[in-house]
Amino acid sequence: EIVLTQSPAILSLSPGERATLSCRASQISTNYLAWYQQRPGQAPRLLIYDASKRATGIPARFSATGSGTDFTLTISSLEPEDFAVYYCQQRANWFALTFGGGTKVE
Amino acid sequence: QVQLVESGGGVMQPGRSLRLSCEASGFAFNYNGMHWVRQIPGKGLEWVAVIWYDGSDKYYADSVKGRFTISRDNSKNTLYLQMDSLRVEDTAVYYCARGNCDSNYVMDVWGQGTAVTVSS
Repeated sequence: EIVLTQSPAILSLSPGERATLSCRASQISTNYLAWYQQRPGQAPRLLIYDASKRATGIPARFSATGSGTDFTLTISSLEPEDFAVYYCQQRANWFALTFGGGTKVE
Repeated sequence: QVQLVESGGGVMQPGRSLRLSCEASGFAFNYNGMHWVRQIPGKGLEWVAVIWYDGSDKYYADSVKGRFTISRDNSKNTLYLQMDSLRVEDTAVYYCARGNCDSNYVMDVWGQGTAVTVSS
């Protein structure tokens, strides 16, 4: 089973600043990697899939890159509504979809 | 609009059974794979199970394999999760999520969740 490690656990920033979130896989992963945002009291929301493709309706300030074991989500300029928890998720095979532990942007 | 509404959560004793439902609307339910994902309050997300659009394939997390069963009734636009032999560690909010048609692992629509508490 591939383990996804997200860092940092907490990212303290101000509106307008750039956020860089990391997701590292314990072994080489496919590019079947997604990022989700979860605001307090809400269900998760899809941001990015296939490592770098923005989901429908997601603002351009959200971008992502990566391959192999290292993946990155970048928020170019934080808006107040972006302060939330972010999870990466991968599909290495159908027997184990896994999520990272999350990064809280505060 | 596209919507998923979970129901069936509650408080159960260890060893008992519970069935969760997820009613879909606003899209062609029989075209999409569907997932269950759970979250212990204040903790991260854990994928639980997936079922193919036609019910032909199902996969489970090791933590629930042999105890939980995912199913669907496309005539009722409804997804189910039968939870047997419940354990304290199954306590969580359970979300259903739609699998994207092109990339089935991608969960592109989520319900608001239903809370399950397992306690003696």
